[in-house]
Amino acid sequence: QKEVEQNSGPLSVPEGAIASLNCTYSDRGSQSFFWYRQYSGKSPELIMFIYSNGDKEDGRFTAQLNKASQYVSLLIRDSQPSDSATYLCAVKAGTALIFGKGTTLSVSS
Amino acid sequence: DGGITQSPKYLFRKEGQNVTLSCEQNLNHDAMYWYRQDPGQGLRLIYYSQIVNDFQKGDIAEGYSVSREKKESFPLTVTSAQKNPTAFYLCASILGQGYTGELFFGEGSRLTVL
Repeated sequence: QKEVEQNSGPLSVPEGAIASLNCTYSDRGSQSFFWYRQYSGKSPELIMFIYSNGDKEDGRFTAQLNKASQYVSLLIRDSQPSDSATYLCAVKAGTALIFGKGTTLSVSS
Repeated sequence: DGGITQSPKYLFRKEGQNVTLSCEQNLNHDAMYWYRQDPGQGLRLIYYSQIVNDFQKGDIAEGYSVSREKKESFPLTVTSAQKNPTAFYLCASILGQGYTGELFFGEGSRLTVL
């Protein structure tokens, strides 16, 4: 069974700090990796995707991928209270995305 | 505006009843998916369809059925065989199976069994 693992949290950071979210996956053949943000009661929305080893930056968000270690992370710089949400890591396995259980982030002002 | 429309947003069902959740997309996407989300459980794949008149079971298909008679529509029926159907159901679609694989989600349907 292909698996995606995340620490459920909650991860609590003060406003302005860097939040670091981590994810590991079991399928070595996975090629595409995604981070979705989900506010309570809402549907997930895509914030980052990454395919190649290394870092990918988009505004305050940086995704990091290490295929050898089967590890993908998301850094959120200058965290804001509006970033408080559940962050879902997803890995493309064949024709579907496999999701982790999500990490809940709480940013305090 | 293009997007995915799910209905109803909230649905209450008595035990033993079948219910059908609607999912319609006007994005001209090829593949469509149904996920179930329980508190603290992330998203689990129920069924998916890559082309019209074809669909495959996901990890938790038991007690559910789908159809894909039109490219735009992928309804999900929750049957009485589903032991614990109370959950948040999400429909999603992808343009193709190409490089990005970005899933677009509908707003979800919350089903409660009384």
